[in-house]
Amino acid sequence: DSGVTQTPKHLITATGQRVTLRCSPRSGDLSVYWYQQSLDQGLQFLIQYYNGEERAKGNILERFSAQQFPDLHSELNLSSLELGDSALYFCASTRTSGGSGNTIYFGEGSWLTVV
Amino acid sequence: ELKVEQNPLFLSMQEGKNYTIYCNYSTTSDRLYWYRQDPGKSLESLFVLLSNGAVKQEGRLMASLDTKARLSTLHITAAVHDLSATYFCAVDNTGNQFYFGTGTSLTVIP
Repeated sequence: DSGVTQTPKHLITATGQRVTLRCSPRSGDLSVYWYQQSLDQGLQFLIQYYNGEERAKGNILERFSAQQFPDLHSELNLSSLELGDSALYFCASTRTSGGSGNTIYFGEGSWLTVV
Repeated sequence: ELKVEQNPLFLSMQEGKNYTIYCNYSTTSDRLYWYRQDPGKSLESLFVLLSNGAVKQEGRLMASLDTKARLSTLHITAAVHDLSATYFCAVDNTGNQFYFGTGTSLTVIP
């Protein structure tokens, strides 16, 4: 158990809908990362937050957004869902903002299926 | 954008054999991470390499880093079935992002 908690574990929704994925980082970790893993795209970095502020943005679609709250949990919002958004979404956390040699710890992931 | 390439993408090896997975990255970094992922599961941290020449070993796995060549290797010694998984390397640049390689899917055959 990495200490990173993600909910829900599985989600099935229809095209055009909106979903919210939630992540609680490890105790004491200030930085949260979101990744998307699909068979054809591999593990794609989406976005990073540090202590409530956006720090880095990767290949995140405009239909997707995220935020980190004062209690450090984070949410990833996916809207106008398409079939191609079906993937495993990971949240990861680490103590610092990055670049310090601290490894990042991954949650169990949220499986999203868009039908 | 930093690019991280692994090879091979797929590796099938017999139990008891040795093999090496390679990880090349495109920009200067002295922080390299190796992860293991079982099918449908989370990523588990294996090694953190923080300097040129760093070598770490755990059981049958040994990782090394050559920052000048921008190359890391994950060496598997006397493979056993339990090592079957997908292995990812990742590079941490100063821009706060962890870039992951394409992954190497390892299958160890009895």
